[in-house]
Amino acid sequence: DQQVKQNSPSLSVQEGRISILNCDYTNSMFDYFLWYKKYPAEGPTFLISISSIKDKNEDGRFTVFLNKSAKHLSLHIVPSQPGDSAVYFCAATWGNNNDMRFGAGTRLTVKP
Amino acid sequence: GAGVSQSPRYKVAKRGQDVALRCDPISGHVSLFWYQQALGQGPEFLTYFQNEAQLDKSGLPSDRFFAERPEGSVSTLKIQRTQQEDSAVYLCASSQMTGLNEKLFFGSGTQLSVL
Repeated sequence: DQQVKQNSPSLSVQEGRISILNCDYTNSMFDYFLWYKKYPAEGPTFLISISSIKDKNEDGRFTVFLNKSAKHLSLHIVPSQPGDSAVYFCAATWGNNNDMRFGAGTRLTVKP
Repeated sequence: GAGVSQSPRYKVAKRGQDVALRCDPISGHVSLFWYQQALGQGPEFLTYFQNEAQLDKSGLPSDRFFAERPEGSVSTLKIQRTQQEDSAVYLCASSQMTGLNEKLFFGSGTQLSVL
């Protein structure tokens, strides 16, 4: 039962342009969402998060948007840099639940 | 330590062998999680410790999987009588406090291959 879905396995953008990574979820109980970034041979690292009481959270070049009615969130990276090339995982949880659910990831390639 | 450390980095086991995977969380982190990541998938929750107490083991796929954290720091994930479907990357993560709204710090994982 995949409750968090990232339907695009890969995305390629030009350096300096915007990268938009999408994530959909099915469980309406989710109230906290996170994005993790993973380089090869490393564990995922936390990037940005958003609570369900907000619809936008911004941190430098990274902005996460949450559309609760559509059960959809997106990560915008502006401007994209070659160092942003990595796999990005969307994750969701609720309350104090220990079981954080992850999407399958989207591999972002930023071309110089 | 500076980060979450996992060993070994790679483990090859023959089907039926027992394996033990080690996790050294960040010093002082209360919460510790184990995840299993199959090829091309996102991490899937296995179990959660708060200090030495295993508060949630609902994600462990079978009774062949066992985890412990006896002193509230280092944790070991043991898989008995390994099967080919156990082949995956096993990730350990820790966080400073309890509750999932704390961001997790992941180790680099142990890649287990069962032949």
